[in-house]
Amino acid sequence: GAGVSQSPSNKVTEKGKDVELRCDPISGHTALYWYRQSLGQGLEFLIYFQGNSAPDKSGLPSDRFSAERTGGSVSTLTIQRTQQEDSAVYLCASRQWGGLQTQYFGPGTRLLVL
Amino acid sequence: DAKTTQPNSMESNEEEPVHLPCNHSTISGTDYIHWYRQLPSQGPEYVIHGLTSNVNNRMASLAIAEDRKSSTLILHRATLRDAAVYYCILRISGNTPLVFGKGTRLSVIA
Repeated sequence: GAGVSQSPSNKVTEKGKDVELRCDPISGHTALYWYRQSLGQGLEFLIYFQGNSAPDKSGLPSDRFSAERTGGSVSTLTIQRTQQEDSAVYLCASRQWGGLQTQYFGPGTRLLVL
Repeated sequence: DAKTTQPNSMESNEEEPVHLPCNHSTISGTDYIHWYRQLPSQGPEYVIHGLTSNVNNRMASLAIAEDRKSSTLILHRATLRDAAVYYCILRISGNTPLVFGKGTRLSVIA
């Protein structure tokens, strides 16, 4: 079956612009996670959705970052007024509620802020 | 989540077994031991997980020490496609996000 998909795969933007990153989870997966991986850094957690609600936003680095999820499916991560330090690979993962604890990751969106 | 310690890098010859160690001396009784790997330019993928007993699946085996303070991921016959960063992660429940450390970068030599 289809896995987690993310779009765009690559995004180049200018400092100060807003960007939207999209994640389509595996159908039926109620839990959705956003992570980011900066060059030379490990993966860091950003936000977690259960259905359309976000019980854990503890990883969002600043108020320029926000995310929403609609219909218990697609999620959008928005970065406002992008900074060069936002350059990273943004990864989305989904998990089936009550199932095996496995998270399934998408291929990521590579964001470059010039 | 409890902290894990892994070697920064390891090297293996193709077709040989690989043992990737992980120390987790502060593990609690409810922590599951998970392994994920990240192939170049891809998102992480699940490899295996266990609680107390050794586990086998089509990808690998997980050997857990009796005191659970360490574990070893075993790839029975390394292939070039197994070259990746391997992460050992402890989790209490399925809801919690994954906390990734630096992992072990495995190189496989033909």
